[in-house]
Order: sequence, then C-alpha cells, then structure tokens
Amino acid sequence: AQRVTQPEKLLSVFKGAPVELKCNYSYSGSPELFWYVQYSRQRLQLLLRHISRESIKGFTADLNKGETSFHLKKPFAQEEDSAMYYCALSGPGNQFYFGTGTSLTVIP
Amino acid sequence: NAGVTQTPKFRVLKTGQSMTLLCAQDMNHEYMYWYRQDPGMGLRLIHYSVGEGTTAKGEVPDGYNVSRLKKQNFLLGLESAAPSQTSVYFCASSTTGLDGYTFGSGTRLTVV
Repeated sequence: AQRVTQPEKLLSVFKGAPVELKCNYSYSGSPELFWYVQYSRQRLQLLLRHISRESIKGFTADLNKGETSFHLKKPFAQEEDSAMYYCALSGPGNQFYFGTGTSLTVIP
Repeated sequence: NAGVTQTPKFRVLKTGQSMTLLCAQDMNHEYMYWYRQDPGMGLRLIHYSVGEGTTAKGEVPDGYNVSRLKKQNFLLGLESAAPSQTSVYFCASSTTGLDGYTFGSGTRLTVV
C-alpha cells in the first residue's frame, strides 16, 4: 500500500540555519514524489517534484530509493519559509497520497 | 487565468442540512479531486474523477457524493451534514500525475 510519513509535526529553526524536513514513503512501484507548501491562509502550492530535480526558493530534495526517503533541505532558512509542508506520492489513477505535514517555523 | 476556483469559501451548516461545494477549473485538466484537510491528519482524498462522467471513491468517501457532468466542474455533495464533516475542503486538478496538482483556495465548512 502507498504511504507517506512525515515524522515531525512541528519544526523550528533559527534564521540562517540549515533545515531538513523528513519524508519517508512506501510504494511498490517506481515513485513520483513531490513537496507542496501551504503558507498561512493560502492554497497549497507545488514546491518541487523529484522528476525535474529542480531547486525552488533554495529548497532541494533527493530521492533515496534505498532508504525510501525524499527529505526536503535548505542550507539557510529564511523567515518567509515559515509554512506547512506536505510530502506527496503520486500513485495509481493519478491519486496523490499526502503525509500529515510538517509545520516549519523560522525564528528571527 | 483563474486556475481552480472553489465556491463557497466559507459555510456554516446545521446538522442534517445538505449542501454542494463547486469546483471549477479552466485548464482543461482531465483529473479532478476532492480532499479534506484536518489538523494532524494532513489531506485525505474523498473522491476523484479521471474524466468527464466518471467518479471514484478515495480514502474517506462516506457521507459524500460527487458528480462530474462537465469536464471543468467537479461537485461535492453532503446530503446530511454531520459535525465530523467540519473541515477545510480542497479541490485539485491535474493533467497527469507527473505534473502535480493545482489546488483551489479551499472551503472552510463548519457543521454545528
């Protein structure tokens, strides 16, 4: 069965510090993984997808099939990064399976 | 370019009342979805559609019905609202799984 786990509900870091949001998945096929971000009172937005190997707003994520992980990283956190982050897996029927989310707070 | 539009944005219902949430997309997307977002539980799929005239159940379909009579619209109905259906509802659409979703701005529903 498809499953996405985000072990941290809350994460606080100081401005300028590195940040890593963890995501682990279980999926029998070849996974397509995504990170979504939701800023306060806004709609969810696609942050990045592993297939494009892009860097958005300084964030990167590497798919590690051996550890079944897709952790989101940024070397220097900014206050505007404070938001809710969701890891998601694309499964059969183009359904997305979302993790429970991690609320990131960047402390000035 | 409106993207995905949800109406209404807010609604308060009494237990037992019915209502319909409308999702409209102008991107000619085949796939449309309804999710509910609850604290500590992330987003859970209620129903989805892979094309006009088709619907399928997601993870938490009980108490909800959907219809996709037109490609651009996906309706979510609550026939008899219950307090457990108090949530934020998000609609999304996509072309393929590789492109990710485009989300609507959400509907905050309170059932009292």
